[in-house]
Amino acid sequence: SQQGEEDPQALSIQEGENATMNCSYKTSINNLQWYRQNSGRGLVHLILIRSNEREKHSGRLRVTLDTSKKSSSLLITASRAADTASYFCATDAQSDYKLSFGAGTTVTVRA
Amino acid sequence: DVKVTQSSRYLVKRTGEKVFLECVQDMDHENMFWYRQDPGLGLRLIYFSYDVKMKEKGDIPEGYSVSREKKERFSLILESASTNQTSMYLCASSRTGTTYNEQFFGPGTRLTVL
Repeated sequence: SQQGEEDPQALSIQEGENATMNCSYKTSINNLQWYRQNSGRGLVHLILIRSNEREKHSGRLRVTLDTSKKSSSLLITASRAADTASYFCATDAQSDYKLSFGAGTTVTVRA
Repeated sequence: DVKVTQSSRYLVKRTGEKVFLECVQDMDHENMFWYRQDPGLGLRLIYFSYDVKMKEKGDIPEGYSVSREKKERFSLILESASTNQTSMYLCASSRTGTTYNEQFFGPGTRLTVL
């Protein structure tokens, strides 16, 4: 069953702008991960944040986690055309190795 | 470079045919997964395996079976393909016993059942 829900479903921004997407989940987690999927391809892991962390950075990515609200956000700064993709959050609430994915946010970066 | 490969990128089959989707990983991972991805529904887990010859049903196992005879290979079987099984199928693998259960994905197989 889906644990994470991304918002918005779709996002269109100009190159150089920031993109922010959110993920809400229902039950307690050990960690939350974000993945990217380019059109018609497999998913690629971007970043993982543990339940005892509040913020994490990786290059132009910034992830926050608020366990009291059961929500996370992914910020992509200074977006590029190559950031055009779908972004998924994944949580591990159900087991040590299974992940539950949301439906994703589709980001389009216009040149 | 870690790799998960899937036997076909595109596959077209007829209703009632038996379909095999193969997935191979070269990372010596214990866990392997099969998902299907449909627009607006995200990834839904069909089956997963945490060891050779071990399997567990995911959220939508009906109409599917799996086989894991070797650690590196996980097969998804559609016993009698139906049109509602037209979808993108994604295989993934991960390691057990780590805090970080990152999954590594194959490129996907887009299956069309006519």
